[in-house]
Amino acid sequence: AQSVTQLGSHVSVSEGALVLLRCNYSSSVPPYLFWYVQYPNQGLQLLLKYTTGATLVKGINGFEAEFKKSETSFHLTKPSAHMSDAAEYFCAVSSSGGYQKVTFGTGTKLQVIP
Amino acid sequence: KAGVTQTPRYLIKTRGQQVTLSCSPISGHRSVSWYQQTPGQGLQFLFEYFSETQRNKGNFPGRFSGRQFSNSRSEMNVSTLELGDSALYLCASSPTGAGASNEQFFGPGTRLTVL
Repeated sequence: AQSVTQLGSHVSVSEGALVLLRCNYSSSVPPYLFWYVQYPNQGLQLLLKYTTGATLVKGINGFEAEFKKSETSFHLTKPSAHMSDAAEYFCAVSSSGGYQKVTFGTGTKLQVIP
Repeated sequence: KAGVTQTPRYLIKTRGQQVTLSCSPISGHRSVSWYQQTPGQGLQFLFEYFSETQRNKGNFPGRFSGRQFSNSRSEMNVSTLELGDSALYLCASSPTGAGASNEQFFGPGTRLTVL
């Protein structure tokens, strides 16, 4: 079984401040981890993903995430928030072996305050 | 390449009716997955189709069904609609499947309102 927990359904940051969105996962096998972003009235778009290898993953729009196995975490960060980053962010987990489902977290809405 | 398209974008139905939603994946993608998105619940997996076969299914009642055609287009049907079925229904496609390390490409969704 696999699951994802996103801490904080709403996060507010000032423009230019650090963005930190938290994600913890549970998986009985080595996980694949994803962050997706959803802008208003749009579908989800992949920001970045972790498969194997380097634990610090860089994505689009200046976002990055670090896979920490000991903490079962995959937090998303961006050094300086832009107004255009306001959106909903979803963490997701999958695994290898057969036809595995992808499990999504409940999402975190990011508000950027000018 | 054109992205994933979903029709219709908005739908209003009354309790007890049935509804069919359509999804056209990116050309060449053989996997189509369906998700229900509601506030506070995130994305709940409904089912995945690959080459016209249902490959995976989530924990939804039998009122929710789907199918995939030979051109990879997919439809989702909900019968005997309930108020709780009001949600954004998202379709996602990928070349080889929704699991493992594969990226999914999402459509804009169909907003279903049940009155």
